[in-house]
Amino acid sequence: GAVVSQHPSRVICKSGTSVKIECRSLDFQATTMFWYRQFPKQSLMLMATSNEGSKATYEQGVEKDKFLINHASLTLSTLTVTSAHPEDSSFYICSAREPGPGGTEAFFGQGTRLTVV
Amino acid sequence: DAKTTQPPSMDCAEGRAANLPCNHSTISGNEYVYWYRQIHSQGPQYIIHGLKNNETNEMASLIITEDRKSSTLILPHATLRDTAVYYCIVRFPNTGNQFYFGTGTSLTVIP
Repeated sequence: GAVVSQHPSRVICKSGTSVKIECRSLDFQATTMFWYRQFPKQSLMLMATSNEGSKATYEQGVEKDKFLINHASLTLSTLTVTSAHPEDSSFYICSAREPGPGGTEAFFGQGTRLTVV
Repeated sequence: DAKTTQPPSMDCAEGRAANLPCNHSTISGNEYVYWYRQIHSQGPQYIIHGLKNNETNEMASLIITEDRKSSTLILPHATLRDTAVYYCIVRFPNTGNQFYFGTGTSLTVIP
């Protein structure tokens, strides 16, 4: 299947700083990528849809000014957690789907474990 | 997208078949059934998907009832590495392509 790669896999940052997470589709072009957040022992929660060349679409309750999403190319989307606080500590996961007719699966990155201290 | 209901947890003996059920009684005619699994601290891994017919691949089989209100994921010979949370998701194709995850079933394969 297609490969989606995230970087870094693990990051620790100080409270008040910003952290950028990259999501790349390695062998296909993705006009749309998705960002999820997962707290311990909970399911994945969709945060936003990243659209190449246009503004991201955020789910209700997700602060767009805090979680900045940029999708400047067909293979790269970035999520920047601005002014991070300990409550932003979580597992962040991106996904992308190969273009084509409906019914095809989405592929997920390996996730980024963010710890804010 | 239709809501799904899965048991929160299941155990399975190593080497035996693991049968994971999913109810999706409000599924619409054009919604697909997808299964993913998530091993601890990793991103979800695609397993299989289907619309109406039963499907099989190298990882698993998907059995969808005739009325499509429920489905079962079958891992024919479970191994310890199959211990994971399994998510059943139903969705329309091309609805922005998002996947909304429920709580899933935590499968523990016992030696």
